Amino acid sequence: DVKVTQSSRYLVKRTGEKVFLECVQDMDHENMFWYRQDPGLGLRLIYFSYDVKMKEKGDIPEGYSVSREKKERFSLILESASTNQTSMYLCASRLARNTGELFFGEGSRLTVL
Amino acid sequence: QQQVKQSPQSLIVQKGGISIINCAYENTAFDYFPWYQQFPGKGPALLIAIRPDVSEKKEGRFTISFNKSAKQFSLHIMDSQPGDSATYFCAAREGYNFNKFYFGSGTKLNVKP
Repeated sequence: DVKVTQSSRYLVKRTGEKVFLECVQDMDHENMFWYRQDPGLGLRLIYFSYDVKMKEKGDIPEGYSVSREKKERFSLILESASTNQTSMYLCASRLARNTGELFFGEGSRLTVL
Repeated sequence: QQQVKQSPQSLIVQKGGISIINCAYENTAFDYFPWYQQFPGKGPALLIAIRPDVSEKKEGRFTISFNKSAKQFSLHIMDSQPGDSATYFCAAREGYNFNKFYFGSGTKLNVKP
C-alpha cells in the first residue's frame, strides 16, 4: 500500500512564525502535491513538484514556498504565518504524470493565532 | 470561481437507500473525473473515476453517471450503509495539464441506521 505520511498532524503557531510542514511518501512516486482544504471550498492546489528540485505554482501559492531535495520528501514552508493560513493542509503523491490517482496523507491542521 | 460545482452540501439517507451526489463543470478540456471519499481525520482516498468517452462506470455499490453534453456527472451509492458516512469530493483534471485537478466543495453524507 502507498503510504503518504505527514508528520505533524496538529500545529499551533503565532503570526509571523516560520512554519514547516513535512510530507514523505514511500512508493517512489515522481509527483507530489500540496493542497489546502477549507470548508465549502474543497481542495485547492498550492504547489506541485514533478521531480526532485522541480516545482510549479498551483492556484494559491502566495505566502507559501516548497522544497523537494529528495524524491520521497516534499516540504511546505510558510515564511511568515498569518491567521488566514489557518487551515487543513493535505499532501498527495502520484506515481507519474500520466497516471490519475492521487494518494493523500492524513493532513496537517494548522492554527495560526 | 469554482470550476467544479458540487451539490448537495450535505445529504442524509436511510440505510439501504440510494445516495446521489451531483457535479457540474464548464471546461471541456477536462479529461478525467475522479470521486474521492474522506472519513473524519483521514485524507481523501480515490473511490472511483471515469473518462468522458464512457457514460457510466460501476464498481460494486458505487456508480458514476457521466453526461458529456450536459457537462454533468454524478455519484450513485446503492444500498447505502452507515459505513458510507463520509465526505465525498468530485474532481476534474485538465487534459492539457495533468497536474491541475479541480475539486468540488464536498458533500457530507450521513447514512442513518
